Amino acid sequence: SAVISQKPSRDICQRGTSLTIQCQVDSQVTMMFWYRQQPGQSLTLIATANQGSEATYESGFVIDKFPISRPNLTFSTLTVSNMSPEDSSIYLCSVDGVVSTDTQYFGPGTRLTVL
Amino acid sequence: TQLLEQSPQFLSIQEGENLTVYCNSSSVFSSLQWYRQEPGEGPVLLVTVVTGGEVKKLKRLTFQFGDARKDSSLHITAAQPGDTGLYLCAGDAGGYQKVTFGTGTKLQVIP
Repeated sequence: SAVISQKPSRDICQRGTSLTIQCQVDSQVTMMFWYRQQPGQSLTLIATANQGSEATYESGFVIDKFPISRPNLTFSTLTVSNMSPEDSSIYLCSVDGVVSTDTQYFGPGTRLTVL
Repeated sequence: TQLLEQSPQFLSIQEGENLTVYCNSSSVFSSLQWYRQEPGEGPVLLVTVVTGGEVKKLKRLTFQFGDARKDSSLHITAAQPGDTGLYLCAGDAGGYQKVTFGTGTKLQVIP
């Protein structure tokens, strides 16, 4: 398995500001993903963080709003830019390829509240 | 777009009762995973099933993959308060296709 940490664990932000969420893995992994989740609901994939190249975004998510960095095989950041209350959610990073490509391991999540 | 529908969406039961959660799709998956998520935590993998008709047991939890690999079920025997959480199935169609997460089932086990 993989141990994944995220910072911050939670934050309350003002409308119009930006927040950068960090994701650190204890081993090198090929694939890192960023998800958004409303409490008690399913996961929505935002993007795949690619090491050494631009992230691959899912429909409805754009780089200007959610810039992602992946400087190496153990670390990634997701920035939520120009936040609005609609961005209030839980943001999760995950990795696969540790055991097999069909098994994902998740970080504990970052709970974001935008006022 | 592949969809994974889970039922029921919510379930509140008494400790000791049995329950079954279903995960259905019209798509075929090469493997299917079940996760449990507790408040304030990320989803934690419970099991992966890969063969049509496969049954896996994890203590009081029994997982089955449908013969056609389009659906799965999770059965919990004698539920305990520690089973409370959000249960998510996730299907992997293989190749370059991304994992699809189910709609989720929120389980509450009342002591």
